[in-house]
Amino acid sequence: GENVEQHPSTLSVQEGDSAVIKCTYSDSASNYFPWYKQELGKRPQLIIDIRSNVGEKKDQRIAVTLNKTAKHFSLHITETQPEDSAVYFCAASINYGQNFVFGPGTRLSVLP
Amino acid sequence: DAGVIQSPRHEVTEMGQEVTLRCKPISGHNSLFWYRQTMMRGLELLIYFNNNVPIDDSGMPEDRFSAKMPNASFSTLKIQPSEPRDSAVYFCASTNADRALYNEQFFGPGTRLTVL
Repeated sequence: GENVEQHPSTLSVQEGDSAVIKCTYSDSASNYFPWYKQELGKRPQLIIDIRSNVGEKKDQRIAVTLNKTAKHFSLHITETQPEDSAVYFCAASINYGQNFVFGPGTRLSVLP
Repeated sequence: DAGVIQSPRHEVTEMGQEVTLRCKPISGHNSLFWYRQTMMRGLELLIYFNNNVPIDDSGMPEDRFSAKMPNASFSTLKIQPSEPRDSAVYFCASTNADRALYNEQFFGPGTRLTVL
């Protein structure tokens, strides 16, 4: 079955700096890669996603890149703000979201 | 829309007791997912339903766990008998699998279960 690895497990950056979180997946049939943000004590919420026919997607300060050959995808956050502090989960799905396998998560801390 | 609704929000029980968690998906969504979140194991998919039918229950840890979806607006996850290692936050999520190529899963607020 699918296996998703995520690095780093924790990340601290200064406010205004960029943050990058990387994930790898094992099943080449995976075709949908969402990123979820979970604030302390809250539910996971989708922040951005990418499908296998796209190499990059941007939404304001957030971008995701996908390398299907290497089977890895990354989340990029620019101009980080304190409210970006949360746990970020990547996920992979072989059927467009019907069966997610989540990575273990990255705890991002944005220091003022 | 009220979003995915879960109840109870918190549950404290003693080992050996039966626990029932409830979920109401977003109206119009036809897929429902149950997840368990712990520090050690992260977010794990337990089971998911399409059109009220269980599709994949390979994540259900053992026979003590069972899930049902009697209709499109209600699902339950039952643990009988409960054990301390079942302590976790249980999330329910739903999506509309008919919207071509767009399957964001919307999570409920979760149920924090503590088994003493």
